[in-house]
Amino acid sequence: DAKTTQPPSMDCAEGRAANLPCNHSTISGNEYVYWYRQIHSQGPQYIIHGLKNNETNEMASLIITEDRKSSTLILPHATLRDTAVYYCIVRVVPYNFNKFYFGSGTKLNVKP
Amino acid sequence: SAVISQKPSRDICQRGTSLTIQCQVDSQVTMMFWYRQQPGQSLTLIATANQGSEATYESGFVIDKFPISRPNLTFSTLTVSNMSPEDSSIYLCSVRPFVNTEAFFGQGTRLTVV
Repeated sequence: DAKTTQPPSMDCAEGRAANLPCNHSTISGNEYVYWYRQIHSQGPQYIIHGLKNNETNEMASLIITEDRKSSTLILPHATLRDTAVYYCIVRVVPYNFNKFYFGSGTKLNVKP
Repeated sequence: SAVISQKPSRDICQRGTSLTIQCQVDSQVTMMFWYRQQPGQSLTLIATANQGSEATYESGFVIDKFPISRPNLTFSTLTVSNMSPEDSSIYLCSVRPFVNTEAFFGQGTRLTVV
């Protein structure tokens, strides 16, 4: 199973930055951290992924700690449309590198 | 990127019957994956569908209940057999074209068993 820990829910005010934490203390050196989100009744949507360096794209930023045991997904200016369940995923074992195992995720509620 | 189409998008079925869900990808991929999402829950991996070989099932899922076909590199089907109300879930198809790239998901099939 996925070895990540996320808070079950978070609130964020519209227009403010949303910072979603994820603990992955057993991550190994060649495992990437991926973030997905699932807006109600839709398939999961890819957000960002990284190995050890911080990453940024048009959707979000990913901050990975130096020891790689935790990471934070940052949505810089949250909108109501960002309300979703956010999943942090780490590949479990090397030979299963193509499989994604989902944890319980964080329900982000963006409020006006 | 990969665009995934699933059919049907939703269905209501009688218990004891079977439903076959189709997944079509717009490009060739080696592995396709099937997930189940029970109401209010996260996604659970059912199996990996490999072209030219039998599907590989995760713990708790068996071929008799969830037979999978993978006739070519762009298409797969998942059958939910002998359905009961506990099978009411969203079933999702996913592909991951390359190592260390993102996975792509279909929009899912919402199944209700009555």
